[in-house]
Amino acid sequence: GDSVTQMEGPVTLSEEAFLTINCTYTATGYPSLFWYVQYPGEGLQLLLKATKADDKGSNKGFEATYRKETTSFHLEKGSVQVSDSAVYFCALPLRGGSQGNLIFGKGTKLSVKP
Amino acid sequence: KAGVTQTPRYLIKTRGQQVTLSCSPISGHRSVSWYQQTPGQGLQFLFEYFSETQRNKGNFPGRFSGRQFSNSRSEMNVSTLELGDSALYLCASSPRLAGSTDTQYFGPGTRLTVL
Repeated sequence: GDSVTQMEGPVTLSEEAFLTINCTYTATGYPSLFWYVQYPGEGLQLLLKATKADDKGSNKGFEATYRKETTSFHLEKGSVQVSDSAVYFCALPLRGGSQGNLIFGKGTKLSVKP
Repeated sequence: KAGVTQTPRYLIKTRGQQVTLSCSPISGHRSVSWYQQTPGQGLQFLFEYFSETQRNKGNFPGRFSGRQFSNSRSEMNVSTLELGDSALYLCASSPRLAGSTDTQYFGPGTRLTVL
């Protein structure tokens, strides 16, 4: 079945460091891919998305490129800030395609130290 | 536009009781989905409602149920609560437009503690 695999956390970085959080997926077809972020004590917020192969989603300095060859959607940021400390989830729709509901990775907790 | 709202934000119940959680979607959104988040299992899909009908269901026992009203508001119910039902319950809404790439917008969640 469809699945999402994220790198295990927690990840601890110093401010201004480069961030990569790996995400790979198994799915039928070419589903849309999402990154969500959860700040402490809050629900999930959509961070970015990509709807087709080679698309690059970007938001708040974060980027992720949809790579169908490697079935990956890695999240990157060139210079992290303390305010980026949160849990990051990679996700794809439950049954592939653009409709349906989401399968999430286990989440990667990021802590950024000043 | 107001976001997804969930009530109550916190609940404490005892084993064997039942509980009802409420979700109001973003205005104009017709689909409401529910997720359970626990430290051990992560985020798991419970069910989706669209046009007052359950469209998709995750792998949860029948104690978990839900419904959607004509104004798209949704409730989920858990009967005969167990300790393992302690979790953050998240509601998400989306427009559910045919042929579109739906993005789900999440509420802040209801934190349920079962004692």
